[in-house]
Amino acid sequence: DGGITQSPKYLFRKEGQNVTLSCEQNLNHDAMYWYRQDPGQGLRLIYYSQIVNDFQKGDIAEGYSVSREKKESFPLTVTSAQKNPTAFYLCASSPYGAGPATNEKLFFGSGTQLSVL
Amino acid sequence: AQKITQTQPGMFVQEKEAVTLDCTYDTSDQSYGLFWYKQPSSGEMIFLIYQGSYDEQNATEGRYSLNFQKARKSANLVISASQLGDSAMYFCAMRGPLGDSGYALNFGKGTSLLVTP
Repeated sequence: DGGITQSPKYLFRKEGQNVTLSCEQNLNHDAMYWYRQDPGQGLRLIYYSQIVNDFQKGDIAEGYSVSREKKESFPLTVTSAQKNPTAFYLCASSPYGAGPATNEKLFFGSGTQLSVL
Repeated sequence: AQKITQTQPGMFVQEKEAVTLDCTYDTSDQSYGLFWYKQPSSGEMIFLIYQGSYDEQNATEGRYSLNFQKARKSANLVISASQLGDSAMYFCAMRGPLGDSGYALNFGKGTSLLVTP
């Protein structure tokens, strides 16, 4: 079945440690996204990529890094510079659509809950 | 920047009744798309319905309909004949023209819906 796979489901980070969240899709989508979800805050965009080997910062990129070496994969690294990393992280993908008023919805993974030890 | 406002942090509805979840948006663009997603306690994001800014008819998908009032910049979700399985968080989101966030969706803070027997 086509979809987006995020791993691990739960992740714990120690002080000063970098951790990487995995996101893989087999939908042949060009665009991929990382969102952070805190209680009562909705989803906020961390990074997005519209094509392989290119990515752009979203609204809250500080303390995070990404790579897009393959179309299928868009891993997110939470660095030690991110002082408040505890949150639910969602990866999404979509076709690179023809414009804003198109019904190209985002497909989401099942998320990774990151907590600090 | 586009802004999505969901003013109802929590809502209750009795089983088999209809419920309206409010969403207003702020944009100066003419071309945009509006989306609603459902997030059960499992954390997955489930796409419900889409409305394009140029669509003249209100969107409908099964028990879901979107009350789109363009002049008032509102896109309320109506769920008819509520079921216990409708209990979840509901997010309104918007996509605008290609800009700082590519074609990423901009989300509201969500409304928590509880359906009671």
